[in-house]
Amino acid sequence: AQTVTQSQPEMSVQEAETVTLSCTYDTSENNYYLFWYKQPPSRQMILVIRQEAYKQQNATENRFSVNFQKAAKSFSLKISDSQLGDTAMYFCAFMKLAGAGSYQLTFGKGTKLSVIP
Amino acid sequence: NAGVTQTPKFQVLKTGQSMTLQCAQDMNHEYMSWYRQDPGMGLRLIHYSVGAGITDQGEVPNGYNVSRSTTEDFPLRLLSAAPSQTSVYFCASSQLSLGVAQYFGPGTRLTVL
Repeated sequence: AQTVTQSQPEMSVQEAETVTLSCTYDTSENNYYLFWYKQPPSRQMILVIRQEAYKQQNATENRFSVNFQKAAKSFSLKISDSQLGDTAMYFCAFMKLAGAGSYQLTFGKGTKLSVIP
Repeated sequence: NAGVTQTPKFQVLKTGQSMTLQCAQDMNHEYMSWYRQDPGMGLRLIHYSVGAGITDQGEVPNGYNVSRSTTEDFPLRLLSAAPSQTSVYFCASSQLSLGVAQYFGPGTRLTVL
């Protein structure tokens, strides 16, 4: 079974600064995807960024970027120019093929990020 | 498009009661799933479905039943509620393809007394 570990239960960052959230995973699969989801106080799960395991180039979405180290099984999220609206729980997730042509998503336990004015 | 909708938003049950959490999507997605979110545990997969008539168990299926009679609907049934099932429940849907992001519903907060 896959495991996803987020070693930082809580973090804080000053507005406009940069913060990096850590995620490591354990798998024997070669073909998989990694995601970061954001969950603000509204409870809605929002996709932040996605990375394909076979792509060496790190994914970037505006102020959000990842550092994907496949050999080290590491997938960290960097948030640049932090904004108050970035305050949320952030979940790292791993997706692989499961039986019958389906797939399964395994989540880490989350990191609570607070952006301080 | 309404996306993924869940009803109710909140529910309180007594131990031993049964109920159904409703989930519907209007995006013609083949894949639908149910997760529970507990403090400090992240989201854990309960059951999932790859199409009408096809369901399978996830990581924590005990105490829950599902069925998928249509593409749009994927209800989650609690047969005999227990306090351990107090949680926030999320339904999600997506196309059936590795790598696509899932669309999540707004969640149902369930308390079992």
